[in-house]
Amino acid sequence: ILNVEQSPQSLHVQEGDSTNFTCSFPSSNFYALHWYRWETAKSPEALFVMTLNGDEKKKGQISATLNTKEGYSYLYIKGSQPEDSATYLCAFGSSNTGKLIFGQGTTLQVKP
Amino acid sequence: KAGVTQTPRYLIKTRGQQVTLSCSPISGHRSVSWYQQTPGQGLQFLFEYFSETQRNKGNFPGRFSGRQFSNSRSEMNVSTLELGDSALYLCASSLQGASGANVLTFGAGSRLTVL
Repeated sequence: ILNVEQSPQSLHVQEGDSTNFTCSFPSSNFYALHWYRWETAKSPEALFVMTLNGDEKKKGQISATLNTKEGYSYLYIKGSQPEDSATYLCAFGSSNTGKLIFGQGTTLQVKP
Repeated sequence: KAGVTQTPRYLIKTRGQQVTLSCSPISGHRSVSWYQQTPGQGLQFLFEYFSETQRNKGNFPGRFSGRQFSNSRSEMNVSTLELGDSALYLCASSLQGASGANVLTFGAGSRLTVL
């Protein structure tokens, strides 16, 4: 059974704080790692798709790193804003099953 | 460019009934995948269709089925509804496939309540 774990489950920070979360996934049969942001009452929206070990992606104040050998990815938010409040989902794409397996998400709340 | 459209957005059914949900992908996208989200659970993969063929299936009972039409629109059906089927059902479309480097674009979801 493929397991994708995200930690922490939830996070409360003050506006301006920087924060990071972890996504752990199987280190074998890696195909791709996806990050999505899911705001309340909206659809999940893609942040990054990473495919190579050592990949680093950046979008505004959000960045992500990937280590496929040890099976983890970090998502960083620098200087969190209230509008960053959302659930952040990671998903592991397996090369042998062809499935995209989602973690349970990290819910971030940024207080003004 | 139109996004992914799911209908209906909300529906209420009773146990034993069946339901059909529809998903229209982004124009040109050939892959449609379906996910179930229940409280406390992550997105659980139901199935993926690509060019009218089921490419992959998650660990759900046979009461859950789907299909894809030649215009890439997809439907999923749940028969003999149970209380535990109450959930948000999301569909997502992508250019080539759901597991690789192609970004998924999600619809707004269909929220099913089974009484």
